Amino acid sequence: KNEVEQSPQNLTAQEGEFITINCSYSVGISALHWLQQHPGGGIVSLFMLSSGKKKHGRLIATINIQEKHSSLHITASHPRDSAVYICAVLDNQFYFGTGTSLTVIP
Amino acid sequence: NAGVTQTPKFQVLKTGQSMTLQCAQDMNHEYMSWYRQDPGMGLRLIHYSVGAGITDQGEVPNGYNVSRSTTEDFPLRLLSAAPSQTSVYFCASSKAADRGSSYGYTFGSGTRLTVV
Repeated sequence: KNEVEQSPQNLTAQEGEFITINCSYSVGISALHWLQQHPGGGIVSLFMLSSGKKKHGRLIATINIQEKHSSLHITASHPRDSAVYICAVLDNQFYFGTGTSLTVIP
Repeated sequence: NAGVTQTPKFQVLKTGQSMTLQCAQDMNHEYMSWYRQDPGMGLRLIHYSVGAGITDQGEVPNGYNVSRSTTEDFPLRLLSAAPSQTSVYFCASSKAADRGSSYGYTFGSGTRLTVV
């Protein structure tokens, strides 16, 4: 049983394209995180949100608590955005999705 | 630099050997945790701690021990390594992790462990 499902698993885009990664979850949560893992392995927290929408540069994250769904959008994608993006939800503990591997081609 | 420091970055062990993965943070975070990351699976929680002297088991605790004698340090011990423990291990910390938390999460750079 997967508490967190992400789609797509893999995504290839041309530089400049608008990208959407989706996350659905089945547990009641207090917060949702979007994480970025680069090929070197390090994990960085991009957003933490519990309602509505957050924007940071070209990244936008939204969450719909009623539908138990979140999306991560990347506008004007760039090759340096190539990474694995992980959705994690916080119930009494964190549950992680398996990640979406994004490759942006110049 | 403030953050979570994990050592070592790479380690190869023989079956049955013991070792300790170190994790230290200098952000005065109450919550610290250890995860393992395996291909095709999401990060899975091994053990966590909500403060000095308090630890608890996560999803996959078997084969691992932890202790939290100080706020800063949260070592993960493998008492008798097995090939099934080959994985990438991440330590993470945050200000709080209970319901209603509004704080972010900081990850260490990971330890790639191979047990042969």
